[in-house]
Amino acid sequence: EIVMTQSPATLSVSPGERATLSCRASQSVSSNLAWYQQKPGQAPRLLIYGASTRATGIPARFSGSGSGTEFTLTISSLQSEDFAVYYCQQYNNWPPSLTFGGGTKVEIK
Amino acid sequence: EVQLVESGGGLVQPGRSLRLSCTASGFTFGDYAMSWVRQAPGKGLEWVGFIRSKAYGGTTEYAASVKGRFTISRDDSKSIAYLQMNSLKTEDTAVYYCTGAAAPLYYFDYWGQGTLVTVSS
Repeated sequence: EIVMTQSPATLSVSPGERATLSCRASQSVSSNLAWYQQKPGQAPRLLIYGASTRATGIPARFSGSGSGTEFTLTISSLQSEDFAVYYCQQYNNWPPSLTFGGGTKVEIK
Repeated sequence: EVQLVESGGGLVQPGRSLRLSCTASGFTFGDYAMSWVRQAPGKGLEWVGFIRSKAYGGTTEYAASVKGRFTISRDDSKSIAYLQMNSLKTEDTAVYYCTGAAAPLYYFDYWGQGTLVTVSS
């Protein structure tokens, strides 16, 4: 099973600053990587798929990059509504499993 | 507007069974793989399993942690997906989310609001 590792676990950022979140796969997942945002008490929401394609309605300040085993989600200028937990998910090597990273919490500095 | 509405959650004793339902609207249900993802209290996301669309055989896949205990099915005529959970364990306690994925790339476009399953004596 592919293990997805996200870092850092918590990222403290001031509004208006850039946030860079990392996701590493234990083996190559090509570009089959998605990012989700989850706010407290809400379901996750798809942000990025195919490592770099924004989902419908996602603002341009969210961007994804990477391929193989190293991926990055960048939020160019953090808005108040962006403070949340972010998860990556691989959908390349399965069965047996679709796997999520452990999440990165973006909090207000 | 796309909607996925889960129901059937609640408190259940260890070893008992529970069936969750997911009623979909706003998209062509039969074209999507339907999946269940769970989240234990204060924890991250864990994929549970899914059922492919009929066009991809309608077959199922499960996480190792639930294989043999959980069964996913679908009724395309009613736009409903089900998660039958048997032999429940305390570690199955979680919010269960119904999700939709457009094959053959299994990322989750659509999410329900979740339903809480608590396994406790």
